[in-house]
Amino acid sequence: QKEVEQNSGPLSVPEGAIASLNCTYSDRGSQSFFWYRQYSGKSPELIMFIYSNGDKEDGRFTAQLNKASQYVSLLIRDSQPSDSATYLCAVGRGSTLGRLYFGRGTQLTVWP
Amino acid sequence: DGGITQSPKYLFRKEGQNVTLSCEQNLNHDAMYWYRQDPGQGLRLIYYSQIVNDFQKGDIAEGYSVSREKKESFPLTVTSAQKNPTAFYLCASSIGYSEQETQYFGPGTRLLVL
Repeated sequence: QKEVEQNSGPLSVPEGAIASLNCTYSDRGSQSFFWYRQYSGKSPELIMFIYSNGDKEDGRFTAQLNKASQYVSLLIRDSQPSDSATYLCAVGRGSTLGRLYFGRGTQLTVWP
Repeated sequence: DGGITQSPKYLFRKEGQNVTLSCEQNLNHDAMYWYRQDPGQGLRLIYYSQIVNDFQKGDIAEGYSVSREKKESFPLTVTSAQKNPTAFYLCASSIGYSEQETQYFGPGTRLLVL
């Protein structure tokens, strides 16, 4: 079982819709959760992080964490064509300080 | 401007050749990391360093070597022992090395084999 799993997609949504990206992780001791966006040919950039169960909102982005289900998601409201990218989920474990474990990413396309 | 720089942007390696990828940061971050990304794949950790003069192997360290002689620099050498080096190499850094530290990435180096 992989440390971090994401649906590879591609996920395609129309402009203005809500895009939902999902991520599951295997280690119950995981403490921190990050979402990165990566445009084609570019390096990942941080969108947001979440540490506690529940929702965390930042503009059009909402991260949702459910540690009991070992599940973290990212919702993008009012999706724009500029949101088209690959979204990487990363998980930090308390037992391996400093290391992040990355999923393969979900490719999102927002069409006009 | 604070940030992470990687050079070169593109690098070509001949068979049997060692090449070194540069990573420099002026963020005063303690921890630095090297990842490899293959098409359609996530990031795989090669090496990481939590403090100067110390580093640990990641998941795919074979065929690579690093040094951390200065806080701001963490060069990666791809040796001839790495038989399939073609990939996108990403350097990252974080303030410290707790599990809650955010990692910030440089622009990357694309390595191609001639």
